[in-house]
Amino acid sequence: QLQLQESGPGLVKPSETLSLTCTVSGGSISSSSYYWGWIRQPPGKGLEWIGSIYYSGSTYYNPSLKSRVTISVDTSKNQFSLKLSSVTAADTAVYYCATPTYWGQGTLVTVSS
Amino acid sequence: SSELTQDPAVSVALGQTVRITCQGDSLRSYYASWYQQKPGQAPVLVIYGKNNRPSGIPDRFSGSSSGNTASLTITGAQAEDEADYYCNSRDSSGNLLYVFGTGTKVTVL
Repeated sequence: QLQLQESGPGLVKPSETLSLTCTVSGGSISSSSYYWGWIRQPPGKGLEWIGSIYYSGSTYYNPSLKSRVTISVDTSKNQFSLKLSSVTAADTAVYYCATPTYWGQGTLVTVSS
Repeated sequence: SSELTQDPAVSVALGQTVRITCQGDSLRSYYASWYQQKPGQAPVLVIYGKNNRPSGIPDRFSGSSSGNTASLTITGAQAEDEADYYCNSRDSSGNLLYVFGTGTKVTVL
């Protein structure tokens, strides 16, 4: 079965860009028909959809974050990535990479100087 | 984007039945998926599509839908079912956007 693992800095300074990578094992990103997505969860709060990318390269972003988000895929490494620019403390959250069925364990990203 | 609204919390006696609802305009067009999240863990898919359970999910979990409301029913709730539950569905915009419900905390008494 698929396994997803997030990686990236756990601390990002305000106004900088948050960058995370999701490494996929047990299957190929380029052979699937479902989405590869990013979801986040601020401490003590609910889940928020950030966006997703399909094997075709098409991307779909939460309108509230669209101006700051970029999701890309590297099929050679079987990875997909998230970039969120101009971060503030409100972007502090556990970030998950996911397919409809499988999720990574999540990684906490704190925005603080 | 669309909104999906859930009751913040429900409680159920051990072995009894509880239904969790999710309301939103997009549910008139798209099925909801349901995720279970226990403290400190990633969400787990329990129901998808019309009423489908991934491998390993007990058959006490079932899903249904009517109009703008999707429901998750736990028949014979167990202590291990105590968790937060989130619905998830397509956005009503017609694009491949998704949205999560506000979440329901289920307490098993």
